[in-house]
Amino acid sequence: GESVGLHLPTLSVQEGDNSIINCAYSNSASDYFIWYKQESGKGPQFIIDIRSNMDKRQGQRVTVLLNKTVKHLSLQIAATQPGDSAVYFCAETIQGGSEKLVFGKGTKLTVNP
Amino acid sequence: DVKVTQSSRYLVKRTGEKVFLECVQDMDHENMFWYRQDPGLGLRLIYFSYDVKMKEKGDIPEGYSVSREKKERFSLILESASTNQTSMYLCASSFGSRLGRGGEQYFGPGTRLTVT
Repeated sequence: GESVGLHLPTLSVQEGDNSIINCAYSNSASDYFIWYKQESGKGPQFIIDIRSNMDKRQGQRVTVLLNKTVKHLSLQIAATQPGDSAVYFCAETIQGGSEKLVFGKGTKLTVNP
Repeated sequence: DVKVTQSSRYLVKRTGEKVFLECVQDMDHENMFWYRQDPGLGLRLIYFSYDVKMKEKGDIPEGYSVSREKKERFSLILESASTNQTSMYLCASSFGSRLGRGGEQYFGPGTRLTVT
């Protein structure tokens, strides 16, 4: 079946820098995408979502970009802080068509002080 | 705030034991899910339920069963625990997508199960 994948399994940044985490998806029918953050020993937490009728969505210090032409999703974190250290997952689904999310394997972000 | 709770954070069981993992959500969500998470393999769906007493197999249902007698509660059962079922188990819930909402899943804190 189709699945969501990631370009890099690990990312290391300096505190204060901006981080970019990438995700490639293969199901062109997917119309809803979510980024999750999972800290060590905890369950994944919702960060931000985006629907396919948008190409950019901003939250607090986070921005998600969607490029449907190349089926690419990215999460940008501004002024990365030590508390941002976690594993980040992207997920995709078809709203109204599937009850399930397809998750990527995750990128581990490490923020160095 | 949505709350998904799991009955235990850590469990140690012996091979062959019957194991129950409980999950409760307080947002009146239609859907509930059980995943296991292993290093390098990401989140893998074991079973999900889209309504009371309804269930569907996920990607790795072998060795597991589930029960959903009430909307807010979803149980994962390991009929005879084996060492290869040592893992982190995550429960999640969401609104039904047929209602045109979300798709977003809310996760519990996880249960780390060790089978010896």
